[in-house]
Amino acid sequence: NAGVTQTPKFQVLKTGQSMTLQCAQDMNHEYMSWYRQDPGMGLRLIHYSVGAGITDQGEVPNGYNVSRSTTEDFPLRLLSAAPSQTSVYFCASSSGTGGLGYTFGSGTRLTVV
Amino acid sequence: ILNVEQSPQSLHVQEGDSTNFTCSFPSSNFYALHWYRWETAKSPEALFVMTLNGDEKKKGRISATLNTKEGYSYLYIKGSQPEDSATYLCAHQKSNQFYFGTGTSLTVIP
Repeated sequence: NAGVTQTPKFQVLKTGQSMTLQCAQDMNHEYMSWYRQDPGMGLRLIHYSVGAGITDQGEVPNGYNVSRSTTEDFPLRLLSAAPSQTSVYFCASSSGTGGLGYTFGSGTRLTVV
Repeated sequence: ILNVEQSPQSLHVQEGDSTNFTCSFPSSNFYALHWYRWETAKSPEALFVMTLNGDEKKKGRISATLNTKEGYSYLYIKGSQPEDSATYLCAHQKSNQFYFGTGTSLTVIP
């Protein structure tokens, strides 16, 4: 009964470093998304996927890459970390129609120094 | 980019008081409206998903209404308890994408 699992929970990066935030769900959800949460700005969509092999950009995609090789996994890659990417990142998944809303992961707090 | 707005931004109520807050969203191309409850240091949890104009949903002391023609939804909490303290988020779903408001932070004072 894991739901959506995100790793790591905390990460500190130096400017210019790259890393991958992992997200996995075991509910056979088709839709998976990555959001970032910044003070006063709510949740903003970075990238999303409607199924394996299909990804698309959200509201704030610059500096991030995603892939969806399996239904279960949706990693988010930071190519060259910048201080502006300091944020809390949430992965979420939903069934095909979103009828039950999103199930969110527990979040990754990323600091770029 | 859809503009989803929530008001008030924050709210303090006494235990036992009833309260409500608003989510407004563009009424065109409406698909669904979601409410989430987000406790500090946790991840958002889905409360309601509403799709039809006039929809009313209820879960215990919490209920929500939806007006898709004018583009707003209300969330009501009856007899607030300290454990209701959280941020309440709404999200407008348009096709595959969810657009979130910034939330209403509720603090219930014992």
